[in-house]
Formats: sequence, C-alpha cells, structure tokens
Amino acid sequence: ETGVTQSPTHLIKTRGQQVTLRCSSQSGHNTVSWYQQALGQGPQFIFQYYREEENGRGNFPPRFSGLQFPNYSSELNVNALELDDSALYLCASSLTGTDTDTQYFGPGTRLTVL
Amino acid sequence: RKEVEQDPGPFNVPEGATVAFNCTYSNSASQSFFWYRQDCRKEPKLLMSVYSSGNEDGRFTAQLNRASQYISLLIRDSKLSDSATYLCVVHSGAGSYQLTFGKGTKLSVIP
Repeated sequence: ETGVTQSPTHLIKTRGQQVTLRCSSQSGHNTVSWYQQALGQGPQFIFQYYREEENGRGNFPPRFSGLQFPNYSSELNVNALELDDSALYLCASSLTGTDTDTQYFGPGTRLTVL
Repeated sequence: RKEVEQDPGPFNVPEGATVAFNCTYSNSASQSFFWYRQDCRKEPKLLMSVYSSGNEDGRFTAQLNRASQYISLLIRDSKLSDSATYLCVVHSGAGSYQLTFGKGTKLSVIP
C-alpha cells in the first residue's frame, strides 16, 4: 500500500450542506494534491498544497477550499454542496510535488450528494 | 480538444493476447508522462513512467512520440489480472504541478 490514508471512506450529504474530507500523506512527503473523479471520468485536479501553502489550483470554484497542517496532513472542504459534487475524492502525496516526483494516491472518499 | 485523449474501450481480449492502448496530449510543453492503472472502485496506481527512449517492464512496454504528442502502452501475454482501467497521465513542467488524466481505457481479459 502507498501509506496515504483518507477519511471517511464513504459519505452521504444533501444539497447545500458542507463537507470536510481528510488525508494523511505518506511519511516524509510534504506535498498533497486533491483530485475529483466523477463516474466514468479520469481524476480532475482540484489543488495542491506544499508546506502548508496552496501551490496550484485547477478549474474548481472557490467553494472548494483546503488546508495543509504542519504534519503535512490535509483537508478538503466543500461548501454549498451540489448534486454534481458526487464523486470519488482522491488525495495524492509526493515528496516535493515537482514533475519528477511520483504521486501516491490514497483509497479515496466516495461522496454522494442527494 | 481535450488535454489528454484516450479511446475509452472497452477492450475485450482473450488471455495471452497482445493489446495496445494509445493516448494523445495537447500541451506540447508537457514534460512527464505516465500510465496509471485503476481497478474498479479503487485508487489509481502508477504502472510505469514513459520516456522518450521507450521503456519496458516485463510484459508492459510504453512509448512516447513527442513530435506527434502520442503515448502508447503495449501489454503482451495478457493475464486475467490485467483487467482494469488504464489511465494516460501527463504532467506539464515549468511550474505546473498537476497531473492531467485521460478518461481511461477499460480492459477486460477473458478466460
């Protein structure tokens, strides 16, 4: 296994609610990236955190926000949930986040918005 | 044009067959290329990196053609355990840290 953990594994919310997803990176990794994978699609980049700072963002609205903590674990927060937010949310950790680094994925959190 | 395009399949092949997947990418500044494997309802896992000189790992061979912006993956002697979705992934360099994934190609190896 990759050593990247995510919680919870599954979550059901209703439209308009807020959700927080958590990720613990692999030991020694200081970079965490978050991806959204809708059914039948490839993962889409949400944002990346490097040493507690946002280090790049994909095409997602501001209601998707995140944090990285001093121990390099990370949270993804989504406000005002919409039906289309139903997806598998993946976090990936890497040593530095550069293009030469492998990103190791956690098992994901499956979010269903009703 | 999508950034990374793959034939979604499905590819249904018998055990022992050779199967090839292709992928094209639109950003000519892309620096790093990968194939990831994703089993049903699981996370993507790195299968192999793709280099300009081509690289081989056992039954798997990956090729990169920068001029045509084309990446391929060849699987020889397919096993039942190769059944999965194969994701073509591009990592643009020069300050871009995100991985850009194709939609994936589904492979089913049939006994």
